[in-house]
Amino acid sequence: GQQVMQIPQYQHVQEGEDFTTYCNSSTTLSNIQWYKQRPGGHPVFLIQLVKSGEVKKQKRLTFQFGEAKKNSSLHITATQTTDVGTYFCSFSGSARQLTFGSGTQLTVLP
Amino acid sequence: DAGITQSPRYKITETGRQVTLMCHQTWSHSYMFWYRQDLGHGLRLIYYSAAADITDKGEVPDGYVVSRSKTENFPLTLESATRSQTSVYFCASSESWRDETQYFGPGTRLLVL
Repeated sequence: GQQVMQIPQYQHVQEGEDFTTYCNSSTTLSNIQWYKQRPGGHPVFLIQLVKSGEVKKQKRLTFQFGEAKKNSSLHITATQTTDVGTYFCSFSGSARQLTFGSGTQLTVLP
Repeated sequence: DAGITQSPRYKITETGRQVTLMCHQTWSHSYMFWYRQDLGHGLRLIYYSAAADITDKGEVPDGYVVSRSKTENFPLTLESATRSQTSVYFCASSESWRDETQYFGPGTRLLVL
């Protein structure tokens, strides 16, 4: 079935540095969602992208959907310790199921 | 507004025992889902339900049973627990299939000895 590759698996940054995580698919996606999971917590929905080339911003977070709808990125500007957690991308494939990427675990060093 | 709750939050059981994990949502969402989360595997879908009395298998359904007699409840049963079922289990719900935002419960941490 369809899958996405999410990179990097881990990322350590100094507080104030930028951070980017990528999701790549070999097939065209109808949409993509991004979730954040704090350590010990549950996934929390951040955003959904649907249109080719779509860019959405939430404060310091910028989300992009590629022109070919095969890749997406999440960029955080000037990371803060509150950004710590694992960021997952997901997409709805066949049979009405969400498939999640393996996640990028972000550590922010103070 | 309680949202989506799971019980128990932590469970220790032994191999071969039957275990039921409960999930309850107060939004009257049509869709409900069960995922397991393991290191190195991310979130994997076990079962999902589109409405009361409608359930379907996800990616990893073996060893699990679900039911949905009421819209708000979606219990997950491990009929004969195995050590490989040690995991964190998340229940989630969404309003409709068009709305792919899923709202997750706090999770149940299950240890099978």
